[in-house]
Amino acid sequence: DAKTTQPNSMESNEEEPVHLPCNHSTISGTDYIHWYRQLPSQGPEYVIHGLTSNVNNRMASLAIAEDRKSSTLILHRATLRDAAVYYCILGFGDTGRRALTFGSGTRLQVQP
Amino acid sequence: DTGVSQDPRHKITKRGQNVTFRCDPISEHNRLYWYRQTLGQGPEFLTYFQNEAQLEKSRLLSDRFSAERPKGSFSTLEIQRTEQGDSAMYLCASTDRGTNEKLFFGSGTQLSVL
Repeated sequence: DAKTTQPNSMESNEEEPVHLPCNHSTISGTDYIHWYRQLPSQGPEYVIHGLTSNVNNRMASLAIAEDRKSSTLILHRATLRDAAVYYCILGFGDTGRRALTFGSGTRLQVQP
Repeated sequence: DTGVSQDPRHKITKRGQNVTFRCDPISEHNRLYWYRQTLGQGPEFLTYFQNEAQLEKSRLLSDRFSAERPKGSFSTLEIQRTEQGDSAMYLCASTDRGTNEKLFFGSGTQLSVL
């Protein structure tokens, strides 16, 4: 699996935008970029995913670099409930492999 | 839709005992995954099923671990002769092409081996 690199932790203030970076310089041409988050004492939950174009949903936006070697998850207005570990994962490309390999993620702290 | 259900939520056992966990995926989801997570780490992939077929097993899944998904519905994960190193949260997830392959996770089973 191609690997991703994320900062161990980030801090944000409530109601401010948050940009969570992810580097994936060895991404294959067909790998999707997935983001999941895990709140304390819960299983991970899906946030967003994309292939080449930027993506928006009600939770977040995903900005993908033109060369696809990096991406950024954008939370437009952080709330205290967004405090979680955010995982950037590559997968579900043309290899046929249908398993996602999680890394250590970025722990986001949101200050009131 | 009740989401992915895992049972039990917590399990305490003595070293050397066998334990079995159950996962009920979201109805109609044909893929089911098992992950293991220890404190401070991300979830580690163990195995996944497409319907009843077990398509991939991680090398983390030693001979003491076995997973089944009879009839392609619920799944069980059994650990034989538990060791203290097996203490972890065991997470189950399910998905389907119809959901654009988003994984839906359960709340997990927390195993403590004394």
